Amino acid sequence: DSGVTQTPKHLITATGQRVTLRCSPRSGDLSVYWYQQSLDQGLQFLIHYYNGEERAKGNILERFSAQQFPDLHSELNLSSLELGDSALYFCASSVAGGRYTQYFGPGTRLTVL
Amino acid sequence: EDKVVQSPLSLVVHEGDTVTLNCSYEVTNFRSLLWYKQEKKAPTFLFMLTSSGIEKKSGRLSSILDKKELSSILNITATQTGDSAIYLCAPDNAGNMLTFGGGTRLMVKP
Repeated sequence: DSGVTQTPKHLITATGQRVTLRCSPRSGDLSVYWYQQSLDQGLQFLIHYYNGEERAKGNILERFSAQQFPDLHSELNLSSLELGDSALYFCASSVAGGRYTQYFGPGTRLTVL
Repeated sequence: EDKVVQSPLSLVVHEGDTVTLNCSYEVTNFRSLLWYKQEKKAPTFLFMLTSSGIEKKSGRLSSILDKKELSSILNITATQTGDSAIYLCAPDNAGNMLTFGGGTRLMVKP
């Protein structure tokens, strides 16, 4: 158990809908990262927040957005969902950024029907 | 664009064998390289390598970084069935992001 929690574990929804994935980092960690893992794309970095501020963006679609709240938990919002958005979404946290190890949460499996 | 290639893609061995997994990378502003093990769900951290030539060890696993060759290897000795997993390497650039390779799928047969 890495200490990173994610909810929900599974989410099944229809195309066109909007969902919110939640992540609570390990106690003391200020950085939160979001990743998407699909069968054909592997594990891909989406976005990084540090202490409430966006620090880096990867291959994140415009339909996706994220934020980190004052209590350091983070939410990833996915809207206008498409079949291709079906994937495992991981959150990871670290003490800060850069040289600090990222610890991964258990993931949320999103299925878009 | 940052690029990470892992080889082999897949490996099947018997318990007790030794395996070597390879990771080659091309990233801008390289800072460190991390290895993760992914079984059923979340990747779990194995090693972080920042300096070339210094081996890191944890039990039967060891890893080393070669900054000149832009590569890293992960060795597993006396493999066990519990080592069956996907092994991922991920260089970290100064942009605070990890770029993951496609992974090596290791299957250890009894």
